[in-house]
Parts: sequence; C-alpha cells; structure tokens
Amino acid sequence: ETGVTQTPRHLVMGMTNKKSLKCEQHLGHNAMYWYKQSAKKPLELMFVYNFKEQTENNSVPSRFSPECPNSSHLFLHLHTLQPEDSALYLCASSQDSKRRDAEAFFGQGTRLTVV
Amino acid sequence: KQEVTQIPAALSVPEGENLVLNCSFTDSAIYNLQWFRQDPGKGLTSLLLIQSSQREQTSGRLNASLDKSSGRSTLYIAASQPGDSATYLCAVRLLPYSGGGADGLTFGKGTHLIIQP
Repeated sequence: ETGVTQTPRHLVMGMTNKKSLKCEQHLGHNAMYWYKQSAKKPLELMFVYNFKEQTENNSVPSRFSPECPNSSHLFLHLHTLQPEDSALYLCASSQDSKRRDAEAFFGQGTRLTVV
Repeated sequence: KQEVTQIPAALSVPEGENLVLNCSFTDSAIYNLQWFRQDPGKGLTSLLLIQSSQREQTSGRLNASLDKSSGRSTLYIAASQPGDSATYLCAVRLLPYSGGGADGLTFGKGTHLIIQP
C-alpha cells in the first residue's frame, strides 16, 4: 500500500470539460511532483513543488494547471484538453527535492482518456 | 540535457536465472539514481536508491551498482521468480541548479522483464 494516493483512478473527459486530478501523501514529505506517462515514451516531469513553492514547470501547456495548497496535497486542473493528452498521470512525493537522499514515492496514477 | 538509456528494452528468461539490467546516463552531475518496478497499469514501486557518493545498494535479491564517472548503473536480480515480471525503470536526479536540469527525476524507457515459470 503506497503512502501516495491519487484520485480518481480512471477519468474520461471531453475536450471541452474541466476536471481536476487529486494527489495526497501521508509520508510527511515536502516535495510533490506530477509526471506524465505516455505509451512508448519515458515518464515526463511536468511540475515540481518544494515546500509549496513551484520550482519546475517543464514547458507544460497552460491547459494543465497545478495547485499545491499544502505539502500534503497536490492538484492538477485540466481544461480544454486534446486527445494526445490521454495518458497515465502519476503523482510522486519525496523529502526536500534538493536532498541527496530524496527518494521518490509514487501513487497508482490516474488513467486519463480525452475523447 | 540529461538522457537515460536502458538496455535491453525487453528480456525473457527462465525462472531461477540471475540477470542484469543496464542503465546509462549522459550527464554525470547527478544527485542520486533510483530503480523502480512498474506492473501493468499501475504506479511505480521504489526498489533502490543510490546516492552519488555510493557505489552500490542491496535489498534482498536485488543489487544495484553505480559508476557515476562512466554514467552507468546496473540492477542485478538473483534467482529470478515469476513475480519479478514487470517493467524496470531507472531514473536519475540531477544536482540542484546544474543548469538545464529539472528539479525532479529523468527516466529511461524501461526494461520489460518476463520470467518464465
């Protein structure tokens, strides 16, 4: 059982919908991350929050909007997505992202399908 | 830009064999390297973390080594079992403020491992 919980596990949305993905960690970590996993491609880092401050936006389109209200919760707000945005979206957490021993722990992911 | 390559892309071996998975990275300015396994449709499970100052880490039947200067890591699995079947992912974390690096992990595409009963 992972200490990182993602909801929902599966999501189907139309291109004009607005939805949000939620991630919660119970590990006392201070850094949280969003990754995208598409078929045949390596996991891609999307956003990083360290102590609630966004430290990385890896050239992600503005139709993806992250929110980190506290160190335990992370959201990914979605609007006007494209079919190519269909993927597995993974949340992760670690101690301070700039620590040498920062081990990342992942949630089970949200399988997103855009129709 | 950091690139991570994993070889082989797929591997199928009989149960009981010892095997080695390979990972290479282009930028040696790493903070640490982490090995994960991923079962189909699931999230990632952390297996081993090696800090840049370390040479290897062991957990049960797993042993991971790191040669930072040559940009290589190996994951050794002893006495393989059908339950080891999964995709194994290697990821590196760059030094903070290393210029052009992300403040997170850079992943390889993985090795898809099948252990035949």
